[in-house]
Amino acid sequence: KAGVTQTPRYLIKTRGQQVTLSCSPISGHRSVSWYQQTPGQGLQFLFEYFSETQRNKGNFPGRFSGRQFSNSRSEMNVSTLELGDSALYLCASSDRDNGAYEQYFGPGTRLTVT
Amino acid sequence: DAKTTQPTSMDCAEGRAANLPCNHSTISGNEYVYWYRQIHSQGPQYIIHGLKNNETNEMASLIITEDRKSSTLILPHATLRDTAVYYCIVESGTYKYIFGTGTRLKVLA
Repeated sequence: KAGVTQTPRYLIKTRGQQVTLSCSPISGHRSVSWYQQTPGQGLQFLFEYFSETQRNKGNFPGRFSGRQFSNSRSEMNVSTLELGDSALYLCASSDRDNGAYEQYFGPGTRLTVT
Repeated sequence: DAKTTQPTSMDCAEGRAANLPCNHSTISGNEYVYWYRQIHSQGPQYIIHGLKNNETNEMASLIITEDRKSSTLILPHATLRDTAVYYCIVESGTYKYIFGTGTRLKVLA
């Protein structure tokens, strides 16, 4: 099976702009999660979607939003970008089966805000 | 979800077994333990997970103590490519991982 893919891999934006990142999960996986990784805060959970519904959300401002489509692909959006939003954004997918919840991560999108 | 505690860093000689400990003293009965590693800011790579019993796969072995308050990830024959940050995570139905700072493993030639 193909792994989790994320596009674009690298992105440079200016403060105040908005950005949309895309994630395609492993075929058959219905759960998609997003994480932000920065040198100062490490890996932090943003949100998780399953069958187009957000089931859990991390402690991030409302500028961070996401959605999931019927084919399980997911997008996350960050509006009014700030310098501190520069980070590696990771997407992970899972096919949780009423028990273990191992997630498989994509390569990430590296966002730089100038 | 239970919090995990790991040593900040460890060294291991190439070819020797690397034993990475993790403390999760507040774990509850239905919480799984997962291990991931991250190399050079790539996406974290799944290694192994377990609930109560010890587990082994082609990458590693996971030893969970009987009281489940701690676990050890064992890489049986460490290679230079195993140099990475290793994360121990506990999750219980919240559909999210809480990553700690992990253990930075350095495999020495």
